[in-house]
Amino acid sequence: DAKTTQPPSMDCAEGRAANLPCNHSTISGNEYVYWYRQIHSQGPQYIIHGLKNNETNEMASLIITEDRKSSTLILPHATLRDTAVYYCIVRGRNDYKLSFGAGTTVTVRA
Amino acid sequence: EPEVTQTPSHQVTQMGQEVILRCVPISNHLYFYWYRQILGQKVEFLVSFYNNEISEKSEIFDDQFSVERPDGSNFTLKIRSTKLEDSAMYFCASSEDGGGKLFFGSGTQLSVL
Repeated sequence: DAKTTQPPSMDCAEGRAANLPCNHSTISGNEYVYWYRQIHSQGPQYIIHGLKNNETNEMASLIITEDRKSSTLILPHATLRDTAVYYCIVRGRNDYKLSFGAGTTVTVRA
Repeated sequence: EPEVTQTPSHQVTQMGQEVILRCVPISNHLYFYWYRQILGQKVEFLVSFYNNEISEKSEIFDDQFSVERPDGSNFTLKIRSTKLEDSAMYFCASSEDGGGKLFFGSGTQLSVL
């Protein structure tokens, strides 16, 4: 019941920016966009989230389109350690659960 | 940086046996969760827990499953009578305020034989 669509995989060169797209065309007004990643079989790791404004933290930037139907996660300088599955998740303010889809498998190459 | 701790990292059990998976959430967090991931599949929500009661559970979380916060620091998942299909990585998570920023543990790999 994931509400997002992501490409199954993408490659990125080490040191370059990685731009990960996500479509969430049915997002409603009180739903946030969250990004997580999962390195190998470790527990998912929170990256960033936003409602409608662009957000930046020490890990990444999140760009949300004005109509909120899509977003892009930007890893500014990808390293080999950024190789992971990246999940884009839409979650309502009053929801308890996160619904993980299949995500995008990002491979950073030297 | 504070982290969620899960024990054991691996658990092997016989079908029909009871198992308890243990978690120590981050100390000032109030919301607790269990998720699982069957090998090669998606991460699936099982249950959320707040104020000593279940706040939401999935259809996976049937009567064979229960959760408990037996003291001020531990959060446990019990599977009463394990089945082969319960074999999975089980992740505990916690959040400070019930928002979507969760901190996940490194998981317990449960193998049911």
